[in-house]
Amino acid sequence: AQSVAQPEDQVNVAEGNPLTVKCTYSVSGNPYLFWYVQYPNRGLQFLLKYITGDNLVKGSYGFEAEFNKSQTSFHLKKPSALVSDSALYFCAVRDGYNFNKFYFGSGTKLNVKP
Amino acid sequence: DSGVTQTPKHLITATGQRVTLRCSPRSGDLSVYWYQQSLDQGLQFLIQYYNGEERAKGNILERFSAQQFPDLHSELNLSSLELGDSALYFCASSVSVGGSSNTGELFFGEGSRLTVL
Repeated sequence: AQSVAQPEDQVNVAEGNPLTVKCTYSVSGNPYLFWYVQYPNRGLQFLLKYITGDNLVKGSYGFEAEFNKSQTSFHLKKPSALVSDSALYFCAVRDGYNFNKFYFGSGTKLNVKP
Repeated sequence: DSGVTQTPKHLITATGQRVTLRCSPRSGDLSVYWYQQSLDQGLQFLIQYYNGEERAKGNILERFSAQQFPDLHSELNLSSLELGDSALYFCASSVSVGGSSNTGELFFGEGSRLTVL
């Protein structure tokens, strides 16, 4: 079965420290992987994606993500967290065989404290 | 601005009523997805349309229905509303499925917040 898992409901980090938000996936075919951010009462905003190529993907607002095929993971990272990064983060995967199917993780709330 | 427009932004109604949520996808996008997000919940996939045809169905209740019109806008109809239907309803669009220009990501609207009293 296709799925996306975000094992942490919440991640707490101090401003200036590096952050990691974890995501693992299970999907048939080659996965198309995505990260989105959602601020309160707003829609989801696209951050970055992995389609093919370099395993380290750079995206908006200084975020990057590392694709690891052997561990079926796509963790979101940022070298230095900002208080304004506090939001809900969703990992998503598009099925490589059935492009209509788009699966989202349960979301991870990131709290960055001053 | 994602280019996806959803109306209304807020809607308050009573149990048993029926409402219609509207979505206009980004220009050129043929595929529309509907999602439900309840309080402190993740995104629940409801249904997907491609160029007017239903292509995928998720956990959509029988009281809910949707359609995509020839001009590609989509409507989500929610009937016999219950308190538990209170949620944010998101529409998202993407470029044509399988097309060479398909970059894969979905573009989300700002959502319609439904409150059932």
